[in-house]
Parts: sequence; structure tokens; C-alpha cells
Amino acid sequence: ETGVTQTPRHLVMGMTNKKSLKCEQHLGHNAMYWYKQSAKKPLELMFVYSLEERVENNSVPSRFSPECPNSSHLFLHLHTLQPEDSALYLCASSQVGGGAHETQYFGPGTRLLVL
Amino acid sequence: GEDVEQSLFLSVREGDSSVINCTYTDSSSTYLYWYKQEPGAGLQLLTYIFSNMDMKQDQRLTVLLNKKDKHLSLRIADTQTGDSAIYFCAEMRVRGGSQGNLIFGKGTKLSVKP
Repeated sequence: ETGVTQTPRHLVMGMTNKKSLKCEQHLGHNAMYWYKQSAKKPLELMFVYSLEERVENNSVPSRFSPECPNSSHLFLHLHTLQPEDSALYLCASSQVGGGAHETQYFGPGTRLLVL
Repeated sequence: GEDVEQSLFLSVREGDSSVINCTYTDSSSTYLYWYKQEPGAGLQLLTYIFSNMDMKQDQRLTVLLNKKDKHLSLRIADTQTGDSAIYFCAEMRVRGGSQGNLIFGKGTKLSVKP
């Protein structure tokens, strides 16, 4: 049990669908992250929210839209995705600032298949 | 280069020691990590080492850090079939302020044969 949960665990969607991925952390952290894990590629950082503000967007396509309503919850809204967006999407959280060690703890991921 | 490098595959026999190697890129990285990913699961933090340390031991795991060569290794003693997984090396690259970026290697798939 990592303290970071993600739903759904598996998702199949068509290119015209709209869906959302949800992440919740129970660790009292103040930063949350979305990563994309594709086959044979390193994990790619997509979005960072620190203290509920988006810190950076690594040139992710606009068909991915993050939302962080509070420090415990993070969403990734998906619309008009492409087949190459099929991947494992991992959420992570950490405690940043104040001299704290910023170890990131990961959720189990959502396996997304775009048809 | 900009990448964290790892061998993609390692195969060992049950009971042997496994050594997974990694080279990272940023000498100012503060922390270096090893994560484990079992099939169909997310990343599980195994251990980490602060950049001013040379070695860290935690039960069957030993982490060695050669900061001069930017080389990190993970040794698993008495490897078991349950250790079969993908092991990711990651470095925490510090940017301005307190926010750092975690940069991952592509992962080493460890296969343990009975």
C-alpha cells in the first residue's frame, strides 16, 4: 500500500471519447505529478502541481488537461486522444519545500488503450 | 548526454547476487533512487541514497554510488524469484528553489531463474 490510489486501473476508449483519470494521495503531501510510461521509453513527466499550482507543462498535447482541486486529488482529463497515447499513466506525490526530502511515491497506474 | 542509462536486461539464478548498474548525468543531483515495478503495477520505491554517501545497505539491498563517475549500482543478495521485476534508476535534478525533477532510466528487467 503506497498511499497513492488511482482509478480506473484499466480504461479503453475511442478517439472521440472524453474520460478522466483520478488520483488520490493519503500521505499529506503538497505536490502531485502525472507521468506517462510507454513501452521502451523512460518515464515522461507530464504535469506537476506543487501547492495546488501547476509548476510546469512539458509540452504535453492539449488533449491532456490536468486538474488539481486540492492537495490530495489530481485528475487528468482526456479528450480526442490518439492511438499513440495508449500507455500506463502513473500518478505520484511528494512533499516539497521546507528542507523536506522530495521522494516521490507512485500509484499503481491506469492502463489506457485508445482504439 | 541527457539520459539516465541502464542495461535493459539481466538474468540470474535464484540464490545468486544481482547487480544492476546505472549511469546518471547531473553531478549536482541530490538524491538517487531505485524503484521496482512488478508486472501490471506502479512503481515501488526500493531505496534511495543521498549524493554525499558512497554506500547504503538495507537488508538484502546494497546501493553503491561513485559520484566521480556518476555511477550507481543496486546489488540484491540471495536473489529470489519474487525479485523478478523491472528496476528503474532515477536521479533528482534540482532546479531553482526547492522543486526538483525526477529523471528516470528506461529500466532493467531482472529475470530470476529457479
